[in-house]
Amino acid sequence: NAGVTQTPKFQVLKTGQSMTLQCAQDMNHEYMSWYRQDPGMGLRLIHYSVGAGITDQGEVPNGYNVSRSTTEDFPLRLLSAAPSQTSVYFCASSYQDVSSYNSPLHFGNGTRLTVT
Amino acid sequence: QQPVQSPQAVILREGEDAVINCSSSKALYSVHWYRQKHGEAPVFLMILLKGGEQKGHEKISASFNEKKQQSSLYLTASQLSYSGTYFCGTEPAGSWGKLQFGAGTQVVVTP
Repeated sequence: NAGVTQTPKFQVLKTGQSMTLQCAQDMNHEYMSWYRQDPGMGLRLIHYSVGAGITDQGEVPNGYNVSRSTTEDFPLRLLSAAPSQTSVYFCASSYQDVSSYNSPLHFGNGTRLTVT
Repeated sequence: QQPVQSPQAVILREGEDAVINCSSSKALYSVHWYRQKHGEAPVFLMILLKGGEQKGHEKISASFNEKKQQSSLYLTASQLSYSGTYFCGTEPAGSWGKLQFGAGTQVVVTP
């Protein structure tokens, strides 16, 4: 039972490059989300999805795109990387809406991204 | 808008108690609590829903004051394993699914 799998674990990009951070879960969770974690700022929500075909913006969506074509996958695309996007990125999933006792977030192990 | 956590950090000796507070300026559907060890992913502790119900996990419990939009996490008789950074996550009413986290409270438990 893999849970939430993020790839890659580490990535170095040059300013202006684009890339996709992959996130897959095998728990048949409807809810998936992306967070970035920076020192002293906690976890900030980038985008989230409550089901296949449905996505919405979080607190810091600029510079990132998402799509949800399947229940299992929720990739995060960086369109044109900037040094300000240097961060640790976490993907998380949940069984259903987060206002339920059945809905703890399951986090992936994170992707550490450096933009030079 | 992110919830506000206090204190930013706390140092405890084994066996001591601590309280971590989380407050929001908005009405809330739910409050989540997670603990993160250095270099690891956050791990779920508990969820509280509207109604002020207190939940528990080992000797860690929490409450949710719906009227004040505040939640508190209680670390009782702390153990070395309680060290880490604690985050509260809040889902504002009217923003279904938009779970936002505070900046975290670093807890260090010493022998």
